[in-house]
Amino acid sequence: DTGVSQDPRHKITKRGQNVTFRCDPISEHNRLYWYRQTLGQGPEFLTYFQNEAQLEKSRLLSNRFSAERPKGSFSTLEIQRTEQGDSAMYLCASSYGTGGLYEQYFGPGTRLTVT
Amino acid sequence: GIQVEQSPPDLILQEGANSTLRCNFSDSVNNLQWFHQNPWGQLINLFYIPSGTKQNGRLSATTVATERYSLLYISSSQTTDSGVYFCAVGYNTDKLIFGTGTRLQVFP
Repeated sequence: DTGVSQDPRHKITKRGQNVTFRCDPISEHNRLYWYRQTLGQGPEFLTYFQNEAQLEKSRLLSNRFSAERPKGSFSTLEIQRTEQGDSAMYLCASSYGTGGLYEQYFGPGTRLTVT
Repeated sequence: GIQVEQSPPDLILQEGANSTLRCNFSDSVNNLQWFHQNPWGQLINLFYIPSGTKQNGRLSATTVATERYSLLYISSSQTTDSGVYFCAVGYNTDKLIFGTGTRLQVFP
């Protein structure tokens, strides 16, 4: 198994531009999570999917953020009208489970810099 | 929400030393993971340990859920153990709440 993959690994964008990140979970994993990590802090939960359904969203996920997982496989996270405060590492994780709570495995992250 | 505190915030060791990292949480949990974040930012799974004790090589972990803490033991530390160690918890939700981490530096 190749693990969780994320693309791109780094993104530099100008304030006001839209960006989209992709996450491919471990194959057969039905749950997928997005977290955001700023410098010196632990990751913060943004949202998660079970198959195609988005089951929980954090208040951190403003209306400029949208996440999708259309076929229950890969997921995209889009940020519209980026702001300097959006600069962070965006982490994706996946797990497998049909009930209860399961170990999450993280990808390498996408580092976003907004100039 | 659940608050997670990790101690110490920073730890400097010489190679071969042992250490204990602590994670305290403010409420009941039934989901707890320990991670090592390497210098490139990758979170590496160490233990999934909502309760009990586990060992993996030089690392072991114990969670006492009733007393709201977990401990990570690192024995015979190596320079490759350097990085940030995170504890993350949850209760009846897949949402993990992370502590602020313990930054470990191991010198030869």
